[in-house]
Amino acid sequence: DAMVIQNPRYQVTQFGKPVTLSCSQTLNHNVMYWYQQKSSQAPKLLFHYYDKDFNNEADTPDNFQSRRPNTSFCFLDIRSPGLGDAAMYLCATSRDGGRGETQYFGPGTRLLVL
Amino acid sequence: QKEVEQNSGPLSVPEGAIASLNCTYSDRGSQSFFWYRQYSGKSPELIMFIYSNGDKEDGRFTAQLNKASQYVSLLIRDSQPSDSATYLCAVNGDSNYQLIWGAGTKLIIKP
Repeated sequence: DAMVIQNPRYQVTQFGKPVTLSCSQTLNHNVMYWYQQKSSQAPKLLFHYYDKDFNNEADTPDNFQSRRPNTSFCFLDIRSPGLGDAAMYLCATSRDGGRGETQYFGPGTRLLVL
Repeated sequence: QKEVEQNSGPLSVPEGAIASLNCTYSDRGSQSFFWYRQYSGKSPELIMFIYSNGDKEDGRFTAQLNKASQYVSLLIRDSQPSDSATYLCAVNGDSNYQLIWGAGTKLIIKP
């Protein structure tokens, strides 16, 4: 089945220790998104890629970076995690990113910062 | 600032009854509307999307869109305990790629 896969499902890191979350997709979609979601809040878009074109949201902290080495994979790097970065990180894809296009989510990575 | 508003709940509904979830949005130009279901600790899962005024039915789920009043609803018939989850409403934003999300309504179906 075509799907969006995220690894790891749970990640524990120490304050200030860099961490990388990964996402892969077999849907062959052009657009990949990274969201941050905290408890009882709406998902917050951090950035997205259309193919290799990177688009950062204006309020995404510099501490968050992303890489998309090929169509199938996308990584979220948190350079110096703070306690406030503990959250669920969601990867999503859409076919072409057209206005109002459906986004499909992976299972998420729960990040805990100690 | 474009917004999507949902009552956070929890909304408690007896098993077998109809659950009604509502969402209002601020941008009159919005054209695409989505309902996602999110179980605790899991990621959002698409339940319904609707583009046109009126009703769209899929199994036990019906989405209702009223653009004049700027609201979209989700009805769940014959509610089951497995429907207990948070339901997120999302609306297209100004630009491609952008969805504006509500914070979700927590639904509890009581056996």
